Amino acid sequence: AQSVAQPEDQVNVAEGNPLTVKCTYSVSGNPYLFWYVQYPNRGLQFLLKYITGDNLVKGSYGFEAEFNKSQTSFHLKKPSALVSDSALYFCAIEYSGAGSYQLTFGKGTKLSVIP
Amino acid sequence: DSGVTQTPKHLITATGQRVTLRCSPRSGDLSVYWYQQSLDQGLQFLIQYYNGEERAKGNILERFSAQQFPDLHSELNLSSLELGDSALYFCASSRIWEGTEAFFGQGTRLTVV
Repeated sequence: AQSVAQPEDQVNVAEGNPLTVKCTYSVSGNPYLFWYVQYPNRGLQFLLKYITGDNLVKGSYGFEAEFNKSQTSFHLKKPSALVSDSALYFCAIEYSGAGSYQLTFGKGTKLSVIP
Repeated sequence: DSGVTQTPKHLITATGQRVTLRCSPRSGDLSVYWYQQSLDQGLQFLIQYYNGEERAKGNILERFSAQQFPDLHSELNLSSLELGDSALYFCASSRIWEGTEAFFGQGTRLTVV
């Protein structure tokens, strides 16, 4: 079965510093990987996805993520954090399997950017 | 605005009751997903429909059911409600059923008292 893990419940980073939110996955085939962000009292918003091709994926709001097949990771990164980046971040995996499909989310990581 | 509309935004009901949550997907999206978000369980996948047919089922209780209508809107029915069903219920939609990002509605906050 497919699964995704976000090992950190919370990440704190100073404004202007680089940030990393970690995600690892487990799947028997080729995964589709996604990052979503949730602001308070809002639905999830799509940030970026990896389907195939270049391992470095660029997304919205200056975020990027690196797909690493050998480490089964898909960490979210941003070179310089903004206070407005403070939110809940979800990694998700979609497995393309015969006859079965679902988009499974990690538990989420709360990012706090400190002014 | 994601283009996904969920109604109602808030719902307060008593234990044992039945409620219906409604979702209108983005224009042109054939796939609809339902998720439950609670503090202790995180974001749990419930069920997915594609063009009117059930495509995948997750951790959906037997007391819960859903359907997608010919106009592609979807309803999630929750019956015999328990206190533990209190949560935020999200609907999401996407163009096709794999490989494309999903767009989420703002959710329905259900409180069972």
